[in-house]
Amino acid sequence: DTGVSQDPRHKITKRGQNVTFRCDPISEHNRLYWYRQTLGQGPEFLTYFQNEAQLEKSRLLSDRFSAERPKGSFSTLEIQRTEQGDSAMYLCASRSYQETQYFGPGTRLLVL
Amino acid sequence: AQTVTQSQPEMSVQEAETVTLSCTYDTSENNYYLFWYKQPPSRQMILVIRQEAYKQQNATENRFSVNFQKAAKSFSLKISDSQLGDTAMYFCAFMKAVGNYGQNFVFGPGTRLSVLP
Repeated sequence: DTGVSQDPRHKITKRGQNVTFRCDPISEHNRLYWYRQTLGQGPEFLTYFQNEAQLEKSRLLSDRFSAERPKGSFSTLEIQRTEQGDSAMYLCASRSYQETQYFGPGTRLLVL
Repeated sequence: AQTVTQSQPEMSVQEAETVTLSCTYDTSENNYYLFWYKQPPSRQMILVIRQEAYKQQNATENRFSVNFQKAAKSFSLKISDSQLGDTAMYFCAFMKAVGNYGQNFVFGPGTRLSVLP
């Protein structure tokens, strides 16, 4: 399978705990995006990487959020000291120089 | 900043019928791309169709076609011969052609389409 993969698919955590999600993009794609999607809404942009460089961060990405793409391949999104408002689907997408983004299946986070 | 509006939160259509989903957007850009993505229940988002703003011809992909009205900033999706598998959330999205970083990829709120047997 050469699509975008995300791990884990589901995560339940208690408020205050840290969580980390992983995204593996399509291998030849140098651009990678993280989005957050709440129920019944469209995805909201969180951050963008071109190769290993994090070029953009949304205002939605508070200090508790950090993302990395250390070798320009897979990426991780970490949320520290989770809050109930962090409960959402976290989507990863990748693309090449062409315009179309390809999405992964998402990680659904529930903070209790 | 760009905005995308989908004025129909929910729609339904009978199997084999035709349905049109509306999308309008606001931008001062002249070169950009528009997309329709489909997100079936509990499944990942996939591209349905895309349109380059510099092309006057409307994009088509099998049963899916768009009506792109650049002056009106309208980008509707027509689904012909609706099938049960078309049941999904449909998102309209906009991307600038230049400086196409993350902030410039904007999704609408979505339209939930139900295809009825």
